Amino acid sequence: KNEVEQSPQNLTAQEGEFITINCSYSVGISALHWLQQHPGGGIVSLFMLSSGKKKHGRLIATINIQEKHSSLHITASHPRDSAVYICAVTQGGSEKLVFGKGTKLTVNP
Amino acid sequence: ETGVTQSPTHLIKTRGQQVTLRCSSQSGHNTVSWYQQALGQGPQFIFQYYREEENGRGNFPPRFSGLQFPNYSSELNVNALELDDSALYLCASSLGQVKNIQYFGAGTRLSVL
Repeated sequence: KNEVEQSPQNLTAQEGEFITINCSYSVGISALHWLQQHPGGGIVSLFMLSSGKKKHGRLIATINIQEKHSSLHITASHPRDSAVYICAVTQGGSEKLVFGKGTKLTVNP
Repeated sequence: ETGVTQSPTHLIKTRGQQVTLRCSSQSGHNTVSWYQQALGQGPQFIFQYYREEENGRGNFPPRFSGLQFPNYSSELNVNALELDDSALYLCASSLGQVKNIQYFGAGTRLSVL
């Protein structure tokens, strides 16, 4: 069993829909990261959080430390949001990122 | 733009050869991590360098080695290439070791034939 599990693996939505991607982890963490990877490989960090909720534009990330669960929400989705969204965690004292397998999001116009 | 650059962008090698991949960190970042991403998978941690010293290593054999230079740029070397080494290799730089955002380069896609 992977230390970081994401669901769903693939997600197709219509433009304007509200999107939720889930991440569960089985280890103690110092922080949880949400990242975006576009075709071609480049990875962009969206959020780093260790408690509560963060918001940036149409993106919202939440984490529940007790339940070892995080969600990434996208409001009013747009075709340019199409990408792979990856959840990753860091464990105390280390910058090593442990990644989930990613969720491939396709937003159709 | 993350300020992290990797070279080359693509590389084709044959089994048994050696390869060196390069990473230039974002200005001022003293920590660099290398990851291997196989097709359809999440990245896997190879190792991390902090101020020129190896600071953690993932489950990769010794033929994967690295260097970090005084200007904090970094190299990943892979000896005796195997077909399974074909992957996207990503480096990420950060400032410090704990709870810092990592900034990723666009990666080097290595194909081993």
